[in-house]
Amino acid sequence: GAGVSQSPRYKVAKRGQDVALRCDPISGHVSLFWYQQALGQGPEFLTYFQNEAQLDKSGLPSDRFFAERPEGSVSTLKIQRTQQEDSAVYLCASSSSGGGADTQYFGPGTRLTVL
Amino acid sequence: AQSVSQHNHHVILSEAASLELGCNYSYGGTVNLFWYVQYPGQHLQLLLKYFSGDPLVKGIKGFEAEFIKSKFSFNLRKPSVQWSDTAEYFCAVNAYDFGNEKLTFGTGTRLTIIP
Repeated sequence: GAGVSQSPRYKVAKRGQDVALRCDPISGHVSLFWYQQALGQGPEFLTYFQNEAQLDKSGLPSDRFFAERPEGSVSTLKIQRTQQEDSAVYLCASSSSGGGADTQYFGPGTRLTVL
Repeated sequence: AQSVSQHNHHVILSEAASLELGCNYSYGGTVNLFWYVQYPGQHLQLLLKYFSGDPLVKGIKGFEAEFIKSKFSFNLRKPSVQWSDTAEYFCAVNAYDFGNEKLTFGTGTRLTIIP
């Protein structure tokens, strides 16, 4: 069955470039999450949507990071003026109905390398 | 803010050995607890979770975990490991009281099983 998909799988950007990372959640899933995973670390929360509403963006590291989910399905994470410290794997996850005990299903991630 | 500690960074075992991976969290309120696994080249996937009831939870592939509230622990166990259990294991906590679905992950434990 279709899981969470992310594109591109790999992205190389020059410092200062803008990038956009896409997430397609499992169809019908209400909640969508973005996490950042640096090398050798666990995923760290960035932001969270319930349908189209962004309910928590406390994990976004700076105002260069912006996420949207305008129609409550596909989401885009945008990073402006990329810096080397932005190099990481960006993971998207979705869950069906909300609630902290709900299972989050993860995508394969987008590996971003900023040169 | 909540945090998760995984004390074992890399564990090497022979097939048929017993496994216990430690996980401690720091949060005094109600929690939902998860173990996720990432096999080589694959997505993060759920092994098991605890949200209420019996503190001993069983997951896929013969794994189990015990929630000990007094110790703020949720250790993962398997009585006899197989070569196919080679993977990275992440413990995660959701702080239920915040009404937020985000997960806080530990740094992960890399498990290598020697045939």
